[in-house]
Amino acid sequence: RKEVEQDPGPFNVPEGATVAFNCTYSNSASQSFFWYRQDCRKEPKLLMSVYSSGNEDGRFTAQLNRASQYISLLIRDSKLSDSATYLCVVNSARNFNKFYFGSGTKLNVKP
Amino acid sequence: EAQVTQNPRYLITVTGKKLTVTCSQNMNHEYMSWYRQDPGLGLRQIYYSMNVEVTDKGDVPEGYKVSRKEKRNFPLILESPSPNQTSLYFCASSYGGETQYFGPGTRLLVL
Repeated sequence: RKEVEQDPGPFNVPEGATVAFNCTYSNSASQSFFWYRQDCRKEPKLLMSVYSSGNEDGRFTAQLNRASQYISLLIRDSKLSDSATYLCVVNSARNFNKFYFGSGTKLNVKP
Repeated sequence: EAQVTQNPRYLITVTGKKLTVTCSQNMNHEYMSWYRQDPGLGLRQIYYSMNVEVTDKGDVPEGYKVSRKEKRNFPLILESPSPNQTSLYFCASSYGGETQYFGPGTRLLVL
């Protein structure tokens, strides 16, 4: 079983739509959770860290559900510029310096 | 400007010809890491380093070597490259295991 699993998509949504991605992780003892954004052929960039209490940054909201072992990312009022691949990242429960990346969820926002 | 640099950005080589991909960061980060990214598999950690002279294996270390003689540099060495090492490689750095800053990537083709 993969450490981190994501729906690869693509999610095709119109501008202004609200879209949500989920990511499941296999080890309940993982401590750090992140969402990264990756544009085509570019390096990943941090979008948000994910905290137990949930956190929001403008149009983006991230939630952590430890009981069900998933994290989510909600994007409201989608913009064309949100089109990218979104990567879920979890650290290893045995070694916090090791990180596992999901294979990414592709989002296409259309006019 | 705070950044992670990698060289070369693109490399075509032949099986068995030793190569080194350099990585340098100017943010005084203790933690540095190498990843490879392959379609459908996401980013997989090759090696990481907690500080000078401290390195450890990630999930896919076979066929790779690293060294950390200076804080700012973390080269990735392929002693005898094989075609299955054709991939997109990213170097990353951070304070501890938190937000990682990625280099622009190195596209390697091994013939």
